[in-house]
Amino acid sequence: GIQVEQSPPDLILQEGANSTLRCNFSDSVNNLQWFHQNPWGQLINLFYIPSGTKQNGRLSATTVATERYSLLYISSSQTTDSGVYFCAVLLSGSARQLTFGSGTQLTVLP
Amino acid sequence: EAGVAQSPRYKIIEKRQSVAFWCNPISGHATLYWYQQILGQGPKLLIQFQNNGVVDDSQLPKDRFSAERLKGVDSTLKIQPAKLEDSAVYLCASRRLGRHEQYFGPGTRLTVT
Repeated sequence: GIQVEQSPPDLILQEGANSTLRCNFSDSVNNLQWFHQNPWGQLINLFYIPSGTKQNGRLSATTVATERYSLLYISSSQTTDSGVYFCAVLLSGSARQLTFGSGTQLTVLP
Repeated sequence: EAGVAQSPRYKIIEKRQSVAFWCNPISGHATLYWYQQILGQGPKLLIQFQNNGVVDDSQLPKDRFSAERLKGVDSTLKIQPAKLEDSAVYLCASRRLGRHEQYFGPGTRLTVT
């Protein structure tokens, strides 16, 4: 099956810093989503981005489908950004299920 | 619009007992998913419904897990009997037909002792 690798596994930042999270995937996809799982366990949709670039406030994401990776940028980080960031992909073709990476645990210190 | 609703939020049971979780998807979302998320890992799909039919249950441990979505809206996931390794967060998600984005509920945290 498809492999989804996220890096780094852990990231500790000072408030105000910028960061880049990476997601590599092993096959062609027609769905890629970034989620933030907050400390209470809620998975929150950040981006649906199978290709191209999107921005939403301090967050932006870029997916280069031909090179099989996606990047999530967080600028001017805040303590409320803490949590786990997951990348999830759906294979092109007949596969029906989202496959999640193992996540990046982000801690933003005040 | 209201999000995906799940209940209960927390459940503690002893091994060999039974437990059931409930999910109400976003209105108009025909596709519903149940995921299991073990601590430190990403969610793993258990079962996918479209309306009241099962699309994919290949990763559902059918000897102890069952799920239904009889009227194509609400869904229940049952574990009978529970094992220690079933301790996890059970997440429900829904998706509108023709769209790719899945939206997740708050989850049910199950502890089996």
